[in-house]
Amino acid sequence: DGGITQSPKYLFRKEGQNVTLSCEQNLNHDAMYWYRQDPGQGLRLIYYSQIVNDFQKGDIAEGYSVSREKKESFPLTVTSAQKNPTAFYLCASSIVGLAGLYNEQFFGPGTRLTVL
Amino acid sequence: AQSVTQLDSHVSVSEGTPVLLRCNYSSSYSPSLFWYVQHPNKGLQLLLKYTSAATLVKGINGFEAEFKKSETSFHLTKPSAHMSDAAEYFCVVSDPGNQFYFGTGTSLTVIP
Repeated sequence: DGGITQSPKYLFRKEGQNVTLSCEQNLNHDAMYWYRQDPGQGLRLIYYSQIVNDFQKGDIAEGYSVSREKKESFPLTVTSAQKNPTAFYLCASSIVGLAGLYNEQFFGPGTRLTVL
Repeated sequence: AQSVTQLDSHVSVSEGTPVLLRCNYSSSYSPSLFWYVQHPNKGLQLLLKYTSAATLVKGINGFEAEFKKSETSFHLTKPSAHMSDAAEYFCVVSDPGNQFYFGTGTSLTVIP
């Protein structure tokens, strides 16, 4: 059964702590993405990766870090430098299409992070 | 540059009446367009996508969308709303670099 899994579903963090959100996919997709979702603001891109051992910053990368050591895994670390990390975090993946052949993103179920 | 504008942040309809969620896009390329649905505290699910094969695209759960190049629009419609359609809907455009650009979403309320 192919898809994307995210864990944990809910995560609580004390101020000053780093936390890591897990994202795993078995779709054999090359591209993976992390988004942050806040009420009324849609999805904002944090980081993305189109190949193993390579990733790029998105629009709101400050205070976050990622790694891509395996094709199927793209963990996100929320560091203490992120001033307001309470949000819903979504991971997605997609095929890297040929020019003119665009493919949709597949999303995980999300992780809700709350800072106490 | 690519961008998406969802013209209504909130839409309310009565059960059994038509649904119209509006989306305008801007794209430097022949666009690939998507509509996603999100139920509370869930991930996004693809409803339908346009990739130039046909201007009228049919999706899941009775939804469809029409691509109008002259109007740069990709509005989502459904003939008869169901209570289970209440959710957040996102219009998305992608580019050849595998980047995806999201609208701010439209919250659909279905009144019994």
